Amino acid sequence: GAGVSQSPRYKVAKRGQDVALRCDPISGHVSLFWYQQALGQGPEFLTYFQNEAQLDKSGLPSDRFFAERPEGSVSTLKIQRTQQEDSAVYLCASSEEGENQPQHFGDGTRLSIL
Amino acid sequence: AQKVTQAQTEISVVEKEDVTLDCVYETRDTTYYLFWYKQPPSGELVFLIRRNSFDEQNEISGRYSWNFQKSTSSFNFTITASQVVDSAVYFCALSESFAGANSKLTFGKGITLSVRP
Repeated sequence: GAGVSQSPRYKVAKRGQDVALRCDPISGHVSLFWYQQALGQGPEFLTYFQNEAQLDKSGLPSDRFFAERPEGSVSTLKIQRTQQEDSAVYLCASSEEGENQPQHFGDGTRLSIL
Repeated sequence: AQKVTQAQTEISVVEKEDVTLDCVYETRDTTYYLFWYKQPPSGELVFLIRRNSFDEQNEISGRYSWNFQKSTSSFNFTITASQVVDSAVYFCALSESFAGANSKLTFGKGITLSVRP
């Protein structure tokens, strides 16, 4: 079946602009995670949804970052007033219901802030 | 707090050599899960294995094997008879256990493996 789909694959924005990144999880996966991966580093957790409920947003670096999953399927990560340090690859992952199920990742969105 | 250390940053081997990727973790939890992921140049993280902290049995899957040692907080990954297609960045990750629930992953910095023909 189809894997996790993220769009756009690449995004270039000027500093100060708002951006929206989309994640389409594997059908039926109730859990959805967002991670940020800086160049040469491991992914770092941003936020976690169980269905439409955002259960953990402890990793969001500032109040400029906002995520939603209104119908428990597609999720959007929004970054307002982007800054250069927001440049990174943003990864979305989904997993089945259960205890610590394997997370399946999308290809990511590479965000570059000029 | 949880932490994953992958002390090796880059490893280069010649095809058909065996290679071991080290992973050391820190956690105060008595129950936790460990994972390995592969990230090829295309960028997508590919799940390789999940291990529960109560299961210390080593696992073999084809050319891949994993050695989990709770006493040394290590979860090492060995590729036997490496191939060029094994070239990628490999991440070890740790998650807490919440009864019946999913949990975020804490990743190490990754190990870049290059397999030369």
